[in-house]
Amino acid sequence: EVQLVQSGAEVKKPGESLKISCKGSGYSFTTYWIGWVRQMPGKGLEWMGIIYPGDSDTRYSPSFRGQVTISADKSINTAYLQWSSLKASDTAMYYCARSAYSGHEADYWGQGTLVTVSS
Amino acid sequence: QSVLTQAPSASGTPGQKVTISCSGGTSNLGNNPVNWYQQFPGAAPKLLIYRSNQRPSGVPDRFSGSKSGTSASLAISGLQSEDEADYYCAAWDDSLNVVLFGGGTKLSV
Repeated sequence: EVQLVQSGAEVKKPGESLKISCKGSGYSFTTYWIGWVRQMPGKGLEWMGIIYPGDSDTRYSPSFRGQVTISADKSINTAYLQWSSLKASDTAMYYCARSAYSGHEADYWGQGTLVTVSS
Repeated sequence: QSVLTQAPSASGTPGQKVTISCSGGTSNLGNNPVNWYQQFPGAAPKLLIYRSNQRPSGVPDRFSGSKSGTSASLAISGLQSEDEADYYCAAWDDSLNVVLFGGGTKLSV
C-alpha cells in the first residue's frame, strides 16, 4: 500500500527555522516525484515545488523560490520542506504528494503538516 | 488570484447532476490535461479525475471529466450528500513552469 506519512504539527516563532518531512512507503521512492502544496487557512491549494528523489532534480514555483528549500534523502525514503526564517504568513497546512512525472497528477497525498508561526 | 478560474460555489439536490467548470488559457488547459481533486474539510486532497477524463481506481463512475480548448468540466451525476466537498482543478502551465490550481468550488448538496 502506497503511503506518504508527514511529520507532526509545528508551532514556531517568527525568525525560527523549520524542516518538515514526508516519508514514502509501499512503492519505489526514487522513481516518483514528490511535490509540496501549501494551503493557507480557509484558502485554496498552491503548488510550491517538486523533487525527484532519484537524482534530487528540484523545481520551484517562482512564488516560493528562495523562500523554502526542498530536499530528499533517498536512503530513508523521505522528502523535506524547510524554512530558514519563518514568517507569520507561513502559517498554513503543507501537503506532500506523489507524481509519476513533474507537473502531472498527484495520485497519493500525505495527511498534511500544520505549521503555525506566531510570536 | 488563480490563473485557472472556478466558480466559488455550486449546489444541487440529491440525485441531480451538477457541473463544475474550470477556465484557463492556452499555456495551461489549452496545452495540457486537467486534473481534479476532491477535498473534505480537515482532510488532504484526493485525486478524482486525471488526464482530463480518467478515473482512478475506486472513484465512482458518477464522476466524469472533460476538456475542450481552454476550458474543463467536472460532472457529478446522481448527486449524493457525501459529495459535499471542495473541488479543485489543476494543470501544468508551460509559461510559468508551475502546476496551477483553480481557486476551488465548494459544492453544497
